[in-house]
Amino acid sequence: EVQLVESGGGLIQPGGSLRLSCAASGFTVSSNYMTWVRQAPGKGLEWVSVIYSGGRTYYADSVKGRFTISRDNSKNTLYLQMNSLRAEDTAVYYCARENVDTAMVWYFDYWGQGTLVTVSS
Amino acid sequence: SSELTQDPAVSVALGQTVRITCQGDSLRNYYASWYQQKPGQAPVLVIYGKNNRPSGIPDRFSGSSSGNTASLTITGAQAEDEADYYCNSRDSSGDCRVFGTGTKVTVL
Repeated sequence: EVQLVESGGGLIQPGGSLRLSCAASGFTVSSNYMTWVRQAPGKGLEWVSVIYSGGRTYYADSVKGRFTISRDNSKNTLYLQMNSLRAEDTAVYYCARENVDTAMVWYFDYWGQGTLVTVSS
Repeated sequence: SSELTQDPAVSVALGQTVRITCQGDSLRNYYASWYQQKPGQAPVLVIYGKNNRPSGIPDRFSGSSSGNTASLTITGAQAEDEADYYCNSRDSSGDCRVFGTGTKVTVL
């Protein structure tokens, strides 16, 4: 059974850093595209970052230069290192597996339950 | 990055049909995927590709696409379909992903 479990969220002051983890089971993280998505309170979904199976990474403009996506193959775990946090980064952060059928067809087929990050003084 | 625009809210009578649209230039090159999200829960994939449903998704959910518009149709809406629905595609670079603005579906 595929499962994704996020952890690492919490209350952090503006300017601080936090690392989120996403422990996967039932599949191999390094063989898949993995993504982070966030949702601010009462708002819509916002894509944050993706890491390809080959290691390439991409980021939303809103987090570029501040967030870093990575993975630990030995732990089958995805990470999101978040630096220089701002109030507007307050959100529930979800990790998701991205399944790629073709260059035109891909989708997030498994999601974690999310971890809440609150940036406030 | 590209934008994907959805109507903020739609309502449908129980058992009737509702169509949710998603507009964006990137949809000319990429299929959208659709996600259902209920309050306090993680999103759930309901449609992907041309018109594919994951295992466990009822066949009352269907998808289509034309030009810069992707659509999600619920035929015979049920009370449990009341939720927020988001489309997703890639941006103009093809590297970043982008979600639609979301549509709240109310079943009357």
